[in-house]
This record gives sequence, C-alpha cells and structure tokens, in this order.
Amino acid sequence: RKEVEQDPGPFNVPEGATVAFNCTYSNSASQSFFWYRQDCRKEPKLLMSVYSSGNEDGRFTAQLNRASQYISLLIRDSKLSDSATYLCVVKGGGYQKVTFGTGTKLQVIP
Amino acid sequence: EAQVTQNPRYLITVTGKKLTVTCSQNMNHEYMSWYRQDPGLGLRQIYYSMNVEVTDKGDVPEGYKVSRKEKRNFPLILESPSPNQTSLYFCASSLNGEGEQYFGPGTRLTVT
Repeated sequence: RKEVEQDPGPFNVPEGATVAFNCTYSNSASQSFFWYRQDCRKEPKLLMSVYSSGNEDGRFTAQLNRASQYISLLIRDSKLSDSATYLCVVKGGGYQKVTFGTGTKLQVIP
Repeated sequence: EAQVTQNPRYLITVTGKKLTVTCSQNMNHEYMSWYRQDPGLGLRQIYYSMNVEVTDKGDVPEGYKVSRKEKRNFPLILESPSPNQTSLYFCASSLNGEGEQYFGPGTRLTVT
C-alpha cells in the first residue's frame, strides 16, 4: 500500500461546480497535512494547510479525519483558473519525512 | 524577493559524467530538501537537511549526494548519472521543516 494515495483523475467539471478530492495516508503517526497546487511543468505551491478542526480559505475547504486516515479538499464554485494538479502532502515522524501523493488532476471546463 | 533558485533549469548529459545542480534560498530557512518528480510516481524525496552540516536520506537517495556547508545552499550531486535519473528535480526550503515548503522552479535533467 502506498504511504499516500490519491485518485489521479482527471476530474473534468463545469465552471461553477463543486468538486471534492480525497487523500488517504497509511502512517497513523503523521503529524502535518497540506494541499499543494501544481500547474503544468511548474513548481508546487502551497494551497492550504489542513488542521484537525477543518479549515476554510475562500472557496476552498480542507478536512482531516485522523480516525479514517484521510484528508479532503473541497472546491466550491470552480473557476477555469482552478485547473491544475492538486497534491496531498503528509509529514510526520521525528525525522521530518515528507511524502507527496501523486496528485489529482482537475480540469474546469467552460 | 524571497525565492528558491536552481541552476541549471535544463540539462542534457551523458551517462557517467558527473554533474551538480545548485540550489539557493534567500529566506534564511533551516530546512532544505531535494525531490524528483516522475510521471505516475509523483514527487519523491531524495535528501533533506535540517540545518548546516545535517543531511538525511529521503525515499530515493541512491545515486545522489548532497552537502550543506552554508545555510543558503544545498547542491545536488550526481557522481555518475544514469538514464534512470532522467527526471524533473525540485529543490525546496522551509523555515524549520514544519510548515510551508517553497519550491524552486525545477531542473529538467536528461541523461542519455
């Protein structure tokens, strides 16, 4: 089983739609969780951190479920500019190991 | 401007010819890391460094070396590159390894 798993997609959604991605992780000792966004052939950039209580940033909502070991990202009112690959990142352990998921590709269609 | 820089951005080389990819950050970050990104495999950590003179292996360290003699620089060294090291490489840094990582623009390496 992979340490961090994501559905690769692609998710093709119309503008204005709501879309959700999940990411599961295998290490129950993981401590920090993030969503990054990566545009084609560019460097990843932080979208948002994920907190136990859940957090929201504009149209984006992130949730963490430690019991089931998954994190989620919800995008409301999708824009064309949201088209990108979304990477789930899990970090934990005393030696600062960072694990990226393979990413979920989102394509927002006019 | 706060940034992570990598050089070169593109490199085509031949098997066995030693090369170095430089990485530099101007944010006084303690933590730096190298990743390679391959289709279907995502980003995999090669090496990371918690501070000057402190480096540790990530998931795929074989065939790579790093050094951290200064806080701002974290070069990646391929002593004898092989075709299976053809990949897109990213350097990243963060303040203390806990929060956001800032990535360089990437280095696309082709080994023939």
